[in-house]
Parts: sequence; structure tokens; C-alpha cells
Amino acid sequence: KQEVTQIPAALSVPEGENLVLNCSFTDSAIYNLQWFRQDPGKGLTSLLLIQSSQREQTSGRLNASLDKSSGRSTLYIAASQPGDSATYLCAVELNRDDKIIFGKGTRLHILP
Amino acid sequence: NAGVTQTPKFQVLKTGQSMTLQCAQDMNHEYMSWYRQDPGMGLRLIHYSVGAGITDQGEVPNGYNVSRSTTEDFPLRLLSAAPSQTSVYFCASSSRKNIQYFGAGTRLSVL
Repeated sequence: KQEVTQIPAALSVPEGENLVLNCSFTDSAIYNLQWFRQDPGKGLTSLLLIQSSQREQTSGRLNASLDKSSGRSTLYIAASQPGDSATYLCAVELNRDDKIIFGKGTRLHILP
Repeated sequence: NAGVTQTPKFQVLKTGQSMTLQCAQDMNHEYMSWYRQDPGMGLRLIHYSVGAGITDQGEVPNGYNVSRSTTEDFPLRLLSAAPSQTSVYFCASSSRKNIQYFGAGTRLSVL
């Protein structure tokens, strides 16, 4: 059974710092991996999608990497801003049955 | 462009009542899914569909039914609501193997 783990569960950093959020998964037979952002009381917004054949994707200050063989992905946020405060979730789409499995998320707080 | 629309936004039910949570998307996406989000549990997949007429179970399907008669709509039915079904429910859609788009969610309380 695929399990997706995100560590840490919560993180507070001063504004301006670079930071890394971690996501690990137990079964490497994935089709893709997505990183999402969720603001309190809102739905999820997709940030980056990495196909299983790719190693990384970039969008602005965000960079996501994927190492399928070790079952790990990281989301790098450069020059963090208070507006980056949110919960970040990763999700993997399975090859075998089209299911998309989420981690529990990392709650990020950027201190002004 | 409306994207993924969920109705209602809030609902309070009594134990044993039935209701349908509506989800509609206007992006012609084949893939649609329902999740529930509970504190400390993350998002858990309830049911999903890879196209009209096709549905399958996710991680936590018990107590919920779905159907997919059209590409646009994917309603979630609670046949006999229980307090354990108090949660926030999200519907999502995507073209196959691509970015998922989420609705704003339905907050359900079962008393």
C-alpha cells in the first residue's frame, strides 16, 4: 500500500530564508507527483507537477525535485515571504490504478 | 471559466439523513475524485472516476456512493449520515495524468 509522508508537520522560519519541505513515498511505481498549497478554509491549488520521467520542475521561487528510486521529493522555496504561509501537500498518482494519494501536509509559517 | 464547482458550501445533517454533495466541472476533464479532509488525517480518497460511466473506490469508500452519468458531474451521496462523516469534502478534476483542480469544499456536520 502506498504511503506518503511529509516531514516536518509544521515549520516556522524568518522571512527571507530559503527552505526545503520533504515528501517521501513507499512505492516507486508512480506516474507523477504534485505539490499543492492550501490556505486556511480554502481548497487546494496545484503548484508543481513532476512526471515520473522528470527530475525537477521550477516555477518562480519554487523548485520541486523528484528521486523516484529513493522515494523522495523536495519542495524548495527561495527567499520566503509572509504570503508563503500556508499548508503544503504532496500527492502521488499511482501507475496501477489511477489513485492519487496525499501526504498529511506541512504547515508553514513565515515570520515577518 | 468556473473550474470545479461544489455545492452546498455548508451543510448540517442529523444522523440517519441522506444528502447529495454536488460537483461539476466545465473543463471537459476525464478524471474526477472526492476526498475528505479531517484534522491530523490529511486528504483521503473516497471515490474516483476515470470517465463517464466508470467509478472506483478509494481509501475510505464505506458510507458513500457515487455515479458518473456525464463527464461534467460527479455527485457524492451519503445514504444514512453518521457523525463520523463530519468533515470537509473536496471534489477535484483533471485531464488524465495531469494537474488536479480542486473545488472550494463542502463543510458537513452530522449531529
